[in-house]
Amino acid sequence: AQSVAQPEDQVNVAEGNPLTVKCTYSVSGNPYLFWYVQYPNRGLQFLLKYITGDNLVKGSYGFEAEFNKSQTSFHLKKPSALVSDSALYFCAVSVNTGFQKLVFGTGTRLLVSP
Amino acid sequence: DADVTQTPRNRITKTGKRIMLECSQTKGHDRMYWYRQDPGLGLRLIYYSFDVKDINKGEISDGYSVSRQAQAKFSLSLESAIPNQTALYFCATRGQGEGQPQHFGDGTRLSIL
Repeated sequence: AQSVAQPEDQVNVAEGNPLTVKCTYSVSGNPYLFWYVQYPNRGLQFLLKYITGDNLVKGSYGFEAEFNKSQTSFHLKKPSALVSDSALYFCAVSVNTGFQKLVFGTGTRLLVSP
Repeated sequence: DADVTQTPRNRITKTGKRIMLECSQTKGHDRMYWYRQDPGLGLRLIYYSFDVKDINKGEISDGYSVSRQAQAKFSLSLESAIPNQTALYFCATRGQGEGQPQHFGDGTRLSIL
């Protein structure tokens, strides 16, 4: 069975500092990995994905994530945080099927202080 | 205009009532999904549909039913609502192609008293 762990309920960072939001996964087979962001009163917005290829993937709003197969991790990173990055972040995993049944982590709240 | 539209955005109702949440999309996607979000639990899949003739249960389908009226419309029903179905409900769509992301509506906040 697929599972995703986001070990931190909340991450606090000062504006301008680098940020990391952690995600580890468990899946049988090759994973498809996704990061989504949720702002208040809004649905989830797609940030980036790993399907295959380069382990470092770049996404929207300056975010990137590094796929590490040996550590089964897919941490989200940004070199310089903005106050507007404050939101709820979800990591999700699926395997290669037509239905793409995503399994989501419990979410990490990112708080960027001025 | 939003690509994935959910109605209503908010609903308060009483235990035992029948409720329908509606989702429509203009993205032309054939795959549609219903999730519920609870604090600390992330999103959990209720039902998903490959096309109008294909409906599948997700991990928490008990107490829910769905209808795919057309490629663009996917409704979720609670036949007899109970308080532990109070949650935020999301509809999502996905196009064909390997690794395509899902696109979410803005959700329906449902409170059952």
